[in-house]
Amino acid sequence: EDQVTQSPEALRLQEGESSSLNCSYTVSGLRGLFWYRQDPGKGPEFLFTLYSAGEEKEKERLKATLTKKESFLHITAPKPEDSATYLCAVQAASNYQLIWGAGTKLIIKP
Amino acid sequence: DAGVIQSPRHEVTEMGQEVTLRCKPISGHDYLFWYRQTMMRGLELLIYFNNNVPIDDSGMPEDRFSAKMPNASFSTLKIQPSEPRDSAVYFCASSLAGRTEAFFGQGTRLTVV
Repeated sequence: EDQVTQSPEALRLQEGESSSLNCSYTVSGLRGLFWYRQDPGKGPEFLFTLYSAGEEKEKERLKATLTKKESFLHITAPKPEDSATYLCAVQAASNYQLIWGAGTKLIIKP
Repeated sequence: DAGVIQSPRHEVTEMGQEVTLRCKPISGHDYLFWYRQTMMRGLELLIYFNNNVPIDDSGMPEDRFSAKMPNASFSTLKIQPSEPRDSAVYFCASSLAGRTEAFFGQGTRLTVV
């Protein structure tokens, strides 16, 4: 069964303290892995798509990486405005649906 | 473009009443998705359309739920009759064929009392 597991469920960091969020997946043929950010009361906002193992993408303080079994979202020197829930989703090659993880709630304290 | 537009933002209704949620996708997008989000189950895909045609409605929980897309710029999700367990945030999202990232609306927070 296709599945996505994110860890940790919640992460509290001090401003400037770098860390990583994990997204482990099992899927029968990966079409793509997606990272989204969701702020309270808003819809998920697209961040990155990764298609193959070894691929990396960066945006400001965020960098996403992909292996055959997991993806990491690295946050370098985070700021309070990076506080949000980060969602990971995978798309199987067999269909167009996204399978979502439960998310990691990130809190950055000033 | 203003992005995906959903209405209403909040809806409070009594059990047994009909509820209609509305969505205007981004112009030119040919895929439209309806999701439900709860604390317990996270994001769940309910149904998606391609070129206004329903492709997969296997996520629709019961016959009480129905969705339509009469044209490329409008879709509705209807719940009749509503029940307290339907309380959730409902999101609409759209995307372009060949590009797989989906753009989400602000959501409709539904409370059934």
